[in-house]
Amino acid sequence: DSGVTQTPKHLITATGQRVTLRCSPRSGDLSVYWYQQSLDQGLQFLIHYYNGEERAKGNILERFSAQQFPDLHSELNLSSLELGDSALYFCASTSRANTGELFFGEGSRLTVL
Amino acid sequence: QQQVKQSPQSLIVQKGGISIINCAYENTAFDYFPWYQQFPGKGPALLIAIRPDVSEKKEGRFTISFNKSAKQFSLHIMDSQPGDSATYFCAASIETGGFKTIFGAGTRLFVKA
Repeated sequence: DSGVTQTPKHLITATGQRVTLRCSPRSGDLSVYWYQQSLDQGLQFLIHYYNGEERAKGNILERFSAQQFPDLHSELNLSSLELGDSALYFCASTSRANTGELFFGEGSRLTVL
Repeated sequence: QQQVKQSPQSLIVQKGGISIINCAYENTAFDYFPWYQQFPGKGPALLIAIRPDVSEKKEGRFTISFNKSAKQFSLHIMDSQPGDSATYFCAASIETGGFKTIFGAGTRLFVKA
């Protein structure tokens, strides 16, 4: 158990809909990273938040947005969903010691029908 | 320049054999090279990591070999076991106000009993 909690574990929705994925980092960790894992495409970096502030953006679509709240949990909002958005979405946190190690949650599997 | 290329995509090894996964990178600013192991239904977890000031790091049956001049690094799993069957991701990271970590596409390893 990495200590990173993600909900929901599974989500099935229709095209055009909007969903929110939630992540609670490990206790004491200030950074949250979001990654998308599609079949055969590895882990694509989406966005990084540190203590409530956006620090870096990767290949995140304009239809997607994220935020990190004062209690350090983060939400990833996906809107106007398309079939191609079906994927596993992981969040990860890093320790304050900044060793570089990412601690991943178990992911949220999104299926868009 | 931000890519990390990983090969092979999949690998089948007999129990007791050596599994070898290779990665290459372009950006010489990367300064942390981790390998993550992912089991089905789980998030990736750090397996072993190396910094570019050493050429080899060994932890139990797992060894990273690092060739700075060639910008390549590899994971060797000695005495491979069925329990090692998982997807392995190499990654390269740079600390820029948070760790920017780029992942390879992943290698699915299957160890035959």
